[in-house]
Amino acid sequence: ETGVTQSPTHLIKTRGQQVTLRCSSQSGHNTVSWYQQALGQGPQFIFQYYREEENGRGNFPPRFSGLQFPNYSSELNVNALELDDSALYLCASSSGGQVNSPLHFGNGTRLTVT
Amino acid sequence: DQQVKQNSPSLSVQEGRISILNCDYTNSMFDYFLWYKKYPAEGPTFLISISSIKDKNEDGRFTVFLNKSAKHLSLHIVPSQPGDSAVYFCAASEVSAGSNYKLTFGKGTLLTVNP
Repeated sequence: ETGVTQSPTHLIKTRGQQVTLRCSSQSGHNTVSWYQQALGQGPQFIFQYYREEENGRGNFPPRFSGLQFPNYSSELNVNALELDDSALYLCASSSGGQVNSPLHFGNGTRLTVT
Repeated sequence: DQQVKQNSPSLSVQEGRISILNCDYTNSMFDYFLWYKKYPAEGPTFLISISSIKDKNEDGRFTVFLNKSAKHLSLHIVPSQPGDSAVYFCAASEVSAGSNYKLTFGKGTLLTVNP
């Protein structure tokens, strides 16, 4: 069974730039969620994708957007990067058909905005 | 406004003893609770969960207790092992509202198990 994989592992960007982070969900999982974990904080929900559509969003501005592809992989795009966007970005997958299916997380992408 | 609180940033215990990690929540709509463990440079790993219809769930060395009236849950690890040293996150969701994917996390507790 293949787990959740994320790329790249680390990334350094300049304020104002755009970034795309990628995630491959665990085998058999059709739902992908993205979380942002700032230093010293717990992960915060950004949004979730199911069947290629966003079906839930946390308190993040529209410059955070995403995509899900037919193979259930996903992208997180952040435009107009700000210094506060520096964080660990976690992707999690689950089986959307099971109500209490726990999320399985990847190892994250560490984004640094300078 | 933090809806899930882990008031102890760190906890240190001796190998073989019990580790008790605590978590409080304020949102009465939460009905599903989970504990995740996180090692440095890795993503959170699911440990154990509990539905609000139960007050206890056990899996090997790990037991989660839920006190709904107090809006409090705890994770017990017995016996503690050095490999258990990690950051532990408490998380909650509203499954009945269809939001089982949206987890609200606490800030985490760093557990150190000393040999």
